[in-house]
Amino acid sequence: QKEVEQNSGPLSVPEGAIASLNCTYSDRGSQSFFWYRQYSGKSPELIMSIYSNGDKEDGRFTAQLNKASQYVSLLIRDSQPSDSATYLCAVNRYGGSQGNLIFGKGTKLSVKP
Amino acid sequence: SQTIHQWPATLVQPVGSPLSLECTVEGTSNPNLYWYRQAAGRGLQLLFYSVGIGQISSEVPQNLSASRPQDRQFILSSKKLLLSDSGFYLCALRWAAGDTQYFGPGTRLTVL
Repeated sequence: QKEVEQNSGPLSVPEGAIASLNCTYSDRGSQSFFWYRQYSGKSPELIMSIYSNGDKEDGRFTAQLNKASQYVSLLIRDSQPSDSATYLCAVNRYGGSQGNLIFGKGTKLSVKP
Repeated sequence: SQTIHQWPATLVQPVGSPLSLECTVEGTSNPNLYWYRQAAGRGLQLLFYSVGIGQISSEVPQNLSASRPQDRQFILSSKKLLLSDSGFYLCALRWAAGDTQYFGPGTRLTVL
């Protein structure tokens, strides 16, 4: 069974702290990895994509990928109350034209002022 | 950039009634289009995807169907709604040349 696992949370961090969100996946053939942010009642919006082992930084966000261990993480530095949302990890299911993604159930992050 | 429209934004329907949700996209040609459902407290479930006009693949057998009558139009339908069809329905697109999916604003469906 191909799966993407995330801790459901809620993960609570104080404002200004680093939030660490983790995701594991079961399909060793996965090639593309994505983090989406979903505010309550809204649709998911893409934060970052990562394809190679290592770190990828974009502003306060850093995605980390370790294909050998089959995990991908998202670090949010200097967390703000506006970062409070559910974060979805997604992994590609197939290579090629379909580009189907498998999503985790999401981790709810709460940043306390 | 691309724009994804979904209509309607919210919908309340009785059990057994029909359903038609529409997704239209702008700014891109020949996109892959997807329908997802997100039920309360659950993850995103892929329902259908389409790689072109008239080409529909179903991921989960159920009482829903999808059609793609035009390149930039994707429709989700049902002849008879069930209580379990309630949820947040999301349309997504992927450019033919990429692998990132972008979501529309969604339709919140409540079946009573």
